[in-house]
Amino acid sequence: GENVEQHPSTLSVQEGDSAVIKCTYSDSASNYFPWYKQELGKRPQLIIDIRSNVGEKKDQRIAVTLNKTAKHFSLHITETQPEDSAVYFCAARYSSYKLIFGSGTRLLVRP
Amino acid sequence: NAGVTQTPKFQVLKTGQSMTLQCAQDMNHEYMSWYRQDPGMGLRLIHYSVGAGITDQGEVPNGYNVSRSTTEDFPLRLLSAAPSQTSVYFCASRDGTDPTYEQYFGPGTRLTVT
Repeated sequence: GENVEQHPSTLSVQEGDSAVIKCTYSDSASNYFPWYKQELGKRPQLIIDIRSNVGEKKDQRIAVTLNKTAKHFSLHITETQPEDSAVYFCAARYSSYKLIFGSGTRLLVRP
Repeated sequence: NAGVTQTPKFQVLKTGQSMTLQCAQDMNHEYMSWYRQDPGMGLRLIHYSVGAGITDQGEVPNGYNVSRSTTEDFPLRLLSAAPSQTSVYFCASRDGTDPTYEQYFGPGTRLTVT
């Protein structure tokens, strides 16, 4: 079925530490995996994405890795800052039109 | 550009009432969709549209209707509201129908059904 599992549901880290969020998908045909950040009371916004023809993509303190064989992908945030506190959603492309989201991870960065 | 706009921002309904959540975008995007967000459930796709006159069901379509008479507007209708439809609703749009295009979300509508 169309499913994206996301773990953990909550994550608390000390400022300056790294945070890792993991997602798995069920359809081996999925080839596009974006990550969205949603600050409290705001709308989700795209922060990074990866396509299945690459294994890793970086953008400053954020990186995403993809393991197609295991059908999982991860978001890595290094040197976390209080403004990184938010809910993060992974998603996967299912079919020509659908983007299916994971259940979200609430990240808290403690000063 | 206003981007994706939604009205109302908040709404309280009684069980059995009907209402329409409005969504509009001024970016001439082909694709529009509706999601609901519930605690611990993430964003679940309700309905989507790949162009004017074309709509299809997502993951959780029951209890909702949509239509797309223009490129700009994509209203979501609740036919007979139920407490299980208490949620935050997000409209989204993107330039192309393929999910690899960046998706833009509206500000959301918080709906409570009593």
